[in-house]
Amino acid sequence: NAGVTQTPKFRILKIGQSMTLQCTQDMNHNYMYWYRQDPGMGLKLIYYSVGAGITDKGEVPNGYNVSRSTTEDFPLRLELAAPSQTSVYFCASSYLETGTGPYEQYFGPGTRLTVT
Amino acid sequence: KNQVEQSPQSLIILEGKNCTLQCNYTVSPFSNLRWYKQDTGRGPVSLTIMTFSENTKSNGRYTATLDADTKQSSLHITASQLSDSASYICVVSPDRGSTLGRLYFGRGTQLTVWP
Repeated sequence: NAGVTQTPKFRILKIGQSMTLQCTQDMNHNYMYWYRQDPGMGLKLIYYSVGAGITDKGEVPNGYNVSRSTTEDFPLRLELAAPSQTSVYFCASSYLETGTGPYEQYFGPGTRLTVT
Repeated sequence: KNQVEQSPQSLIILEGKNCTLQCNYTVSPFSNLRWYKQDTGRGPVSLTIMTFSENTKSNGRYTATLDADTKQSSLHITASQLSDSASYICVVSPDRGSTLGRLYFGRGTQLTVWP
């Protein structure tokens, strides 16, 4: 199992450019998440998905879009990059099932994005 | 307001020494509390998960304690090693049944172990 993989590892964007951060998991998890981590701050939830075709906003969704066409993939789209989106982005996945114990959440290695 | 506060913000210890990191939370209703280790440039990795009925849980040299009444948790690291240098993040889940799977993250304690 590769777990959760993210590409690219690093990216520099100019203001107004767009890009897609890729995330793939091979654990057949139903839940997937996108977080951002700013220096010295806790992780903040951007978007999440409870299964293919179902997505919803998290705490800081403005400026981002997501889609979930398959169980494995959960790309994050930045349409008009702004300096405030400079951050490290983490994708995570987990398997939630009613009646079971606390779920484990697995994180990818992160994408470091700089917008200048 | 649901919050997770960690202390200290940073800590330096010598190799072989023990240390304790603190976590206070106001998340309610409470379901479980996790400690994650995040190495520089990597994603967080789970160390322990404790439900409200568990007081302590160990993972090798890491021992987490939980007092659900006072809403406090600690992570004790025994006989520290250079590889323990990392950020340790306290994470609280408000409820097991939420379809959001919402987690509240602390800012982390940056631990540095010197030889």
